[in-house]
Amino acid sequence: AQSVTQLDSHVSVSEGTPVLLRCNYSSSYSPSLFWYVQHPNKGLQLLLKYTSAATLVKGINGFEAEFKKSETSFHLTKPSAHMSDAAEYFCVVSDQNSGYSTLTFGKGTMLLVSP
Amino acid sequence: GAVVSQHPSRVICKSGTSVKIECRSLDFQATTMFWYRQFPKQSLMLMATSNEGSKATYEQGVEKDKFLINHASLTLSTLTVTSAHPEDSSFYICSAWTGGGTDTQYFGPGTRLTVL
Repeated sequence: AQSVTQLDSHVSVSEGTPVLLRCNYSSSYSPSLFWYVQHPNKGLQLLLKYTSAATLVKGINGFEAEFKKSETSFHLTKPSAHMSDAAEYFCVVSDQNSGYSTLTFGKGTMLLVSP
Repeated sequence: GAVVSQHPSRVICKSGTSVKIECRSLDFQATTMFWYRQFPKQSLMLMATSNEGSKATYEQGVEKDKFLINHASLTLSTLTVTSAHPEDSSFYICSAWTGGGTDTQYFGPGTRLTVL
């Protein structure tokens, strides 16, 4: 069984300051890990994914995440927050053992960006 | 590329009626489509997995007779909420998977269902 824990339900930052959204995972297999962003009343947009290549993954809009197997973590970071980054962020783990990709979502972290 | 659309984006219906939601992959063929449900301020919960031409696989606790899923082609899956009740009000999101070596799912924009 796999699971995802997003350690913060809300994170508040000021525009221009760094962003850190924390995620820990549990998986019986070598996992694929994703970060998705969801703006209000919108679908999900893929920010980045890790699939056992480089442990530091660069995504869109300046986001990146580092896979740390020893810590079972996949934290999302961005050097400088923009107002447009305010949204809900989901850390997701994929189980491919079922023959297709079954995604398990974390509970989400709401990122609030103040001027 | 890899665009998934949903229709309608928003629907309001009376209790007891049925509502159909369409999910289309616009520029690729989807071996498998997934239906999720998201309650306010909560995460996505997988409802069912559908493969083209076969019956959907429902997650535990999801009533298959209430949430009818049809995946008639490689680009279209439909979710019908039958005899809808206010507790079925939610945000329904579909995703599509191309199969092969990738495990990336592409998500639709979601459908907001409100049952009065």
